[in-house]
Amino acid sequence: IQMTQSPSSLSASVGDRVTITCRASQNIRRKLNWYQHKPGKAPKLLISDGSTLQTGVPSRFSGGGSGTDFTLTISGLQPEDFATYYCQQTDSAPLTFGGGTKVDIK
Amino acid sequence: EVQLVESGGGLVQPGGSLRLSCAASGFTFSRYWMNWVRQAPGKGLEWVANIKEDGSETYYVDSVEGRFSISRDNAKKSLFLQMNSLRAEDTAVYYCAREKIPAAVDYYGMDVWGQGTTVTVSS
Repeated sequence: IQMTQSPSSLSASVGDRVTITCRASQNIRRKLNWYQHKPGKAPKLLISDGSTLQTGVPSRFSGGGSGTDFTLTISGLQPEDFATYYCQQTDSAPLTFGGGTKVDIK
Repeated sequence: EVQLVESGGGLVQPGGSLRLSCAASGFTFSRYWMNWVRQAPGKGLEWVANIKEDGSETYYVDSVEGRFSISRDNAKKSLFLQMNSLRAEDTAVYYCAREKIPAAVDYYGMDVWGQGTTVTVSS
């Protein structure tokens, strides 16, 4: 299953609303997760099963979608949110990641 | 504290072998699927392999199938990745990561990650 993320990068300001999209090459039900990754750190699971926010993740992060099309929205970007974001399908092995979306400061 | 610590990375020549280890602590290791994920320099995350709680099932990304082997020792709370016939394109930081749900019959994402170990394949 191929995962296509867009955009590959974006520039935004603190307080902006940001939306990242992820498309699967076939129906993956809601088996889509979102991770945040900062340089030199371990990736962090933000959202599982399309929209389930992980414990401790701020509510400004939200996920949606099912089937082949998914979104990650950050409502009110904070300085600590500048990072690279990855989607990953967990419908079937191999558990493929999208190419990533780098969010940096405008 | 729930923790994963990788080791075993280093510099190896093309065609060589390396065995990565991941030591788990702070949780019941034997109840979780475990994964290896890598990130090549300047590239994105790539899922490499996973293994069921009891080691009875394993899956691999196509690019490592037949060259890499994932295994585990539940008594020692350890995960391994045996890497043979290494290529330059295997150069990456390798992370071990825990499946989120214990005794899962489906996948739900990876909620605990190590800090990674670096593998460099070069002559």
